[in-house]
Parts: sequence; structure tokens; C-alpha cells
Amino acid sequence: AQTVTQSQPEMSVQEAETVTLSCTYDTSENNYYLFWYKQPPSRQMILVIRQEAYKQQNATENRFSVNFQKAAKSFSLKISDSQLGDTAMYFCAFISPRYNNNDMRFGAGTRLTVKP
Amino acid sequence: DGGITQSPKYLFRKEGQNVTLSCEQNLNHDAMYWYRQDPGQGLRLIYYSQIVNDFQKGDIAEGYSVSREKKESFPLTVTSAQKNPTAFYLCASAETSGGAFPFGEQFFGPGTRLTVL
Repeated sequence: AQTVTQSQPEMSVQEAETVTLSCTYDTSENNYYLFWYKQPPSRQMILVIRQEAYKQQNATENRFSVNFQKAAKSFSLKISDSQLGDTAMYFCAFISPRYNNNDMRFGAGTRLTVKP
Repeated sequence: DGGITQSPKYLFRKEGQNVTLSCEQNLNHDAMYWYRQDPGQGLRLIYYSQIVNDFQKGDIAEGYSVSREKKESFPLTVTSAQKNPTAFYLCASAETSGGAFPFGEQFFGPGTRLTVL
């Protein structure tokens, strides 16, 4: 079974500082995709960043970057220069085309609070 | 603008009633999904559909039913058999055919909050 684990239920960071959210996953597949979704208080799920497992280079999107460690099955999200608008639930997600290309697995989420 | 709409935003149900949550997308996506979100938990898959007139059960399908008569629409019915239906429900869609990239990325609607009175 494919599982996704987020071990930090809640985190907080001061505005303008950097924070890292952890995610680990379990799979026997070699080809898969990983995502970080953000769910602000409005509850609208928004894609933050994605990573293809066959790419060694870590994905970056402006202030958001990932540290993808395939051997360790780790996929952490780093948020630089944190802003108040980054306050949200963050979900790590996994999908494998070969296993079941319609079954995206989500972690339980990390609630991030950015403090002024 | 392309996107996914869900209605209503808030829904109240009396015990023993069936209710239907609407989900419509104009992204021309083949696949559509229904998730349930409870406090402190991630998203759990209820049903998904890869193509019109076909759908599959997810992890927690008991007490729910769906239909996919049109590509754009994937309504979810919460039946009286669902013992604890109070939750936040999210609909999503994805383009999964023809080697679409980014593969599997799901686009979400704004959600429906269902409360049983």
C-alpha cells in the first residue's frame, strides 16, 4: 500500500523566516509524482509545488522549494521569507501511474501558522 | 475562466434524509473525484470516475452513491446509510488520458460543508 506520513501536526514560524515541513512516503514503485497542496482558511485546495520522481533536481516555485530524497522516501517543503498569507494546512500527496493512476494519497496535513 | 464549482457551500441534513452534492467542471477533464475531509485528517477518497458512465469505489464508499452521466458533472449523494456524514466534501478533477502532464495533478472545487442536524 502507498502511504504518506506527515509527522508534524502543527508548526509556527515568524514572518520573514524560513520553515520546513516534513513528508515521508512508502512505495515500491520507481515512477511516481509528489505534490504539496495548500489549504488556507477558505478551504480551497491549491497546488503549491510538484516533483516527478525521475527528476533528480529539486523543484522550486518562487519562495517554495522541496528537498526530494528518493532513497529515503522523503519530500520536505521549505518556505522561505514566510508571509502571513502562508498560514494554512499543507498536505503532501503521492500518485503512482502504474499502481493506480486515479488514487492520489494524502498525508494528514500540517497546520502552519505564520506569526507577525 | 475554467474551474470546478461545487454547490451548495453549506448543507444541512436531517437524519434519515438523502442529500445530493453538486460538482461541475469546465476543464474538459476525464477524471473526477470525491473526497471527504474530517478534522485532523487528510483527504479520503469516496468515489472516482475515469470516464462517463463509469465510476469506482474509493476507500470509504459505504453510504455514498455517485453518477457520471456527463463529462462535466459528478454529483455525490449522501444516503441515510452513511452513519456519520458531517464533514467537508471536496470534488476534484484531473486530466489523466493521452499522457497528460503534469500527470495526475488534481484541481479542486471550493468544497461543501455538510452538517447533520
